[in-house]
Amino acid sequence: AQKITQTQPGMFVQEKEAVTLDCTYDTSDPSYGLFWYKQPSSGEMIFLIYQGSYDQQNATEGRYSLNFQKARKSANLVISASQLGDSAMYFCAMREGPRSSASKIIFGSGTRLSIRP
Amino acid sequence: DTGVSQDPRHKITKRGQNVTFRCDPISEHNRLYWYRQTLGQGPEFLTYFQNEAQLEKSRLLSDRFSAERPKGSFSTLEIQRTEQGDSAMYLCASSSEPPGQAGSPLHFGNGTRLTVT
Repeated sequence: AQKITQTQPGMFVQEKEAVTLDCTYDTSDPSYGLFWYKQPSSGEMIFLIYQGSYDQQNATEGRYSLNFQKARKSANLVISASQLGDSAMYFCAMREGPRSSASKIIFGSGTRLSIRP
Repeated sequence: DTGVSQDPRHKITKRGQNVTFRCDPISEHNRLYWYRQTLGQGPEFLTYFQNEAQLEKSRLLSDRFSAERPKGSFSTLEIQRTEQGDSAMYLCASSSEPPGQAGSPLHFGNGTRLTVT
């Protein structure tokens, strides 16, 4: 059964430092997709970055990058040069199966990131 | 692109009453998902549709919950005989199928906050 684990309930980071948010997953399907979302205190869910299981390179989107280690089943989010506006809940999510076929997407329990000025 | 719209934003009801929520997805998206989120937790999968077909319903969901998407556009989520444990934020999300946005990420609405007294 598919499973997402985020082991860091909360993190404090100094502004301008880089931060890594951990995510491990479990699936028996060779085709899957991994997502990271940000949820600020306003409640909206914001899509950040996507990594497909067959993608050869780690995904990057601006200050966000995904450290994808397939053998370890981990998909950690790296935020470079953190900013005060990065303070939010961050969720890792997974889709089992290829994106060509609809399938459910499950979420981890999240990590609350707080950036110190 | 007007985004995913959910109505109402807030609903307060008494225990035992029935409630219905509506979700209007992004117009070109044929996949629609419902999630429930409680404070400090990740979104919990409830059900999802491809066009008008309901493809999966969470086993955690009791028979009091039902969802429809009759014409493959908007969807409704009904909770019968509400209980205090149903109090949560109910999130709707939609996504496209290939060759849309890479990974077909979920685009979330702002949610319906349900309070059962």
